[in-house]
Amino acid sequence: SQTIHQWPATLVQPVGSPLSLECTVEGTSNPNLYWYRQAAGRGLQLLFYSVGIGQISSEVPQNLSASRPQDRQFILSSKKLLLSDSGFYLCAWSYRGGKAFFGQGTRLTVV
Amino acid sequence: AQTVTQSQPEMSVQEAETVTLSCTYDTSENNYYLFWYKQPPSRQMILVIRQEAYKQQNATENRFSVNFQKAAKSFSLKISDSQLGDTAMYFCAFSDYGGSQGNLIFGKGTKLSVKP
Repeated sequence: SQTIHQWPATLVQPVGSPLSLECTVEGTSNPNLYWYRQAAGRGLQLLFYSVGIGQISSEVPQNLSASRPQDRQFILSSKKLLLSDSGFYLCAWSYRGGKAFFGQGTRLTVV
Repeated sequence: AQTVTQSQPEMSVQEAETVTLSCTYDTSENNYYLFWYKQPPSRQMILVIRQEAYKQQNATENRFSVNFQKAAKSFSLKISDSQLGDTAMYFCAFSDYGGSQGNLIFGKGTKLSVKP
């Protein structure tokens, strides 16, 4: 069966520190992968998506970057965090545009 | 670019009654998927219902059904016999058919409260 792992669940980081959030998928090949950010009580803002290894598309200019070093691994990074990077980050995958499966999310607080 | 609009930030309904959540979208594609997702306080995203744009028949899943109007680019969700467990954020979403473009776009959500 397909599963998606996203970690850590909670993270508190100082301003200016680096960030690395990891997401891995099991049970499928060549999925579409997504990173979203959700502000409190708000919708999901698409940050990055990937349709294949090494292929990353960015939806909004920001202090973040993404990489897909392996077919089922998607990493969200930052070299220097800003206060405005705080939020709830969700990783998701889908196959050929169908139903999306979501990770448990990471609550990031930048202090 | 595709967009998804949910014009109702918050709604409430009495238990056992029916409520309809609105969603409109914009795309130049002819084939695509539309979804409604539910996000309870746990923040886990749960698929409620899915509609393929090439299908004229409206999708149904138990108490959940949609009214898909392709020409009007409208995709509303009807919840019948509302239950307290239906209290959650509801997101309408669009995905390109086949996923080759990688689009999976969400609306801003509607917060639904079911009152006893």
